[in-house]
Amino acid sequence: QVTLKESGPVLVRPTETLTLTCTVSGFSLSNPRMGVSWIRQPPGKALEWLAHIFSTDEKSYSTSLKSRLTISKDTSKSQVVLTMTNMDPVDTATYYCARILNWGFDYWGQGTLVTVSS
Amino acid sequence: QSALTQPASVSGSPGQSITISCTGTSSDVGGYNYVSWYQQHPGKAPKFMIYEVTNRPSGVSNRFSGSKSGNTASLTISGLQAEDEADYYCSSYASSNSWVFGGGTKLTVL
Repeated sequence: QVTLKESGPVLVRPTETLTLTCTVSGFSLSNPRMGVSWIRQPPGKALEWLAHIFSTDEKSYSTSLKSRLTISKDTSKSQVVLTMTNMDPVDTATYYCARILNWGFDYWGQGTLVTVSS
Repeated sequence: QSALTQPASVSGSPGQSITISCTGTSSDVGGYNYVSWYQQHPGKAPKFMIYEVTNRPSGVSNRFSGSKSGNTASLTISGLQAEDEADYYCSSYASSNSWVFGGGTKLTVL
């Protein structure tokens, strides 16, 4: 059974760095057919793709947020980590991690709501 | 990486068919057959409904179908049911190993 679960702080202060962890089970992060993305959704708004990491450790980022994002993985721990620097209230959103298979996001975590506020 | 364009809302009566469009560019929708669709109920994570334009994952009703023409992809839901009321998002692989989502469409079953 494939599962993904996001974890991290629920509240972040403006200018701080957010670190989120996605712990996966039911598949390996070294599987060449798969990868993991981070996607966010501000309250009442649309989904926004943020970053992706491939089994080869190749990484890709949203053009608009590239300077603030870092994605990494620890295959032995089955974890994918996203850091986002210089957080702002507009970054308040539910953050999801999702598995890529056949170029679509086939399994999603439950999401974690991160609020940016002083 | 501009968001794909979807209608904000569509509606239909039970038993009818509806179509949701998703318009991009030759750098995303038009350039790759990697369009996928997601259903999201309030407070829930998105659910994978269509991949590679036309394919349904195991367990998804055959009332859901996808297509593409040029830079526009479409999701059609036939035989509308009350449980289909949800938000729907399209997504496409774009250049340079990136993905882009649509703005979302709220489906109301009258």
